[in-house]
Amino acid sequence: GAVVSQHPSWVICKSGTSVKIECRSLDFQATTMFWYRQFPKQSLMLMATSNEGSKATYEQGVEKDKFLINHASLTLSTLTVTSAHPEDSSFYICSARDGGPPESDTQYFGPGTRLTVL
Amino acid sequence: AQSVAQPEDQVNVAEGNPLTVKCTYSVSGNPYLFWYVQYPNRGLQFLLKYITGDNLVKGSYGFEAEFNKSQTSFHLKKPSALVSDSALYFCAVTSSGNTPLVFGKGTRLSVIA
Repeated sequence: GAVVSQHPSWVICKSGTSVKIECRSLDFQATTMFWYRQFPKQSLMLMATSNEGSKATYEQGVEKDKFLINHASLTLSTLTVTSAHPEDSSFYICSARDGGPPESDTQYFGPGTRLTVL
Repeated sequence: AQSVAQPEDQVNVAEGNPLTVKCTYSVSGNPYLFWYVQYPNRGLQFLLKYITGDNLVKGSYGFEAEFNKSQTSFHLKKPSALVSDSALYFCAVTSSGNTPLVFGKGTRLSVIA
């Protein structure tokens, strides 16, 4: 099946610094990628939809200036958490849609990145 | 608006017994339904999906799910549970196209030896 990678798998940073998380589709082209956030023992919360070559679409309540998303190619999307604070600590998961017809349309998820802000 | 309900936070089942994890959905238009499994500190792994066709969908690791339009349900089932099936299971729905998935809150499955 399709593989999505994320880097780094975990990161610890100081408050006020910025952190970049990469999401790559390894064996398929992804015109659309999604970024989710998951708090302990909770479901995934969609943060934004990232389309290659265009601006990301953010969900209500997600600060676009704080969570910068860039989808520069069909296999790479990045999420940058700017001026991170302890409340930004969370598990961030990306997914990539394989872009086929609806009959084969599936989102494949990366392994997640655990961010801890001290 | 799309929504998914997983009414059980936790399901416990003995190894070798059949298991069911419940999911109901609400969506305008035709639903695309998915089940994913998540192991601790890992991303989500795709199990199976319903797009169209047969109501009974077979997926990975012996799991299957039945789409019931009248009851707006998509329950996940397995005839014989394994201890290694213990994980967090998410049901998700979208209304097709380039729309994001909406996830249920998840159901933690514990299979006891």
